[in-house]
Amino acid sequence: DQQVKQNSPSLSVQEGRISILNCDYTNSMFDYFLWYKKYPAEGPTFLISISSIKDKNEDGRFTVFLNKSAKHLSLHIVPSQPGDSAVYFCAALQGGSEKLVFGKGMKLTVNP
Amino acid sequence: EAGVTQSPTHLIKTRGQQATLRCSPISGHTSVYWYQQALGLGLQFLLWYDEGEERNRGNFPPRFSGRQFPNYSSELNVNALELEDSALYLCASSLGWTGVNQPQHFGDGTRLSIL
Repeated sequence: DQQVKQNSPSLSVQEGRISILNCDYTNSMFDYFLWYKKYPAEGPTFLISISSIKDKNEDGRFTVFLNKSAKHLSLHIVPSQPGDSAVYFCAALQGGSEKLVFGKGMKLTVNP
Repeated sequence: EAGVTQSPTHLIKTRGQQATLRCSPISGHTSVYWYQQALGLGLQFLLWYDEGEERNRGNFPPRFSGRQFPNYSSELNVNALELEDSALYLCASSLGWTGVNQPQHFGDGTRLSIL
């Protein structure tokens, strides 16, 4: 049973536009959510996180939104840059277990 | 600041052998985590070590084990290797519990191939 789902395998956007990456989860005990970016042959790089007590967290061009009632979070990248092209993973954690549960990832392509 | 470092980058073994993978966390981090990414599967949690103790393990058989040393570095040992153990093994580290959740930072992984 997949507890964290990224239903779109890929997204293509134009440079300068907004990229919106979506993630759904099923476990209501998750209380911490993270986004990672991964380039080929490298490990995942931490981007941004959000605690379940918040509904928005912003860091530069990256904003994560959390809708607990819908069990949904999204990552907004504005403006998108070609260097953002990578695979993005959504992950969730239940406090105390320290066990990150990952989605299967979504490939973002930002075209110049 | 140096990131999480893993060695070796690649490891080739045959069925039945044992593999040892190593990880050095970011300086100041006390928690180390191991994940497996097999072909076609997502990242799966293997083990969590903190302050030298195993704190949690995922749904893997006991032949997957490890330890954390006093300097917080860690080893992952896989005994009696099977073909399906072929995967990318990722190590991550974090500050551990500080009262608030801390992100885990990943190394670039060890690619283990079983022939």
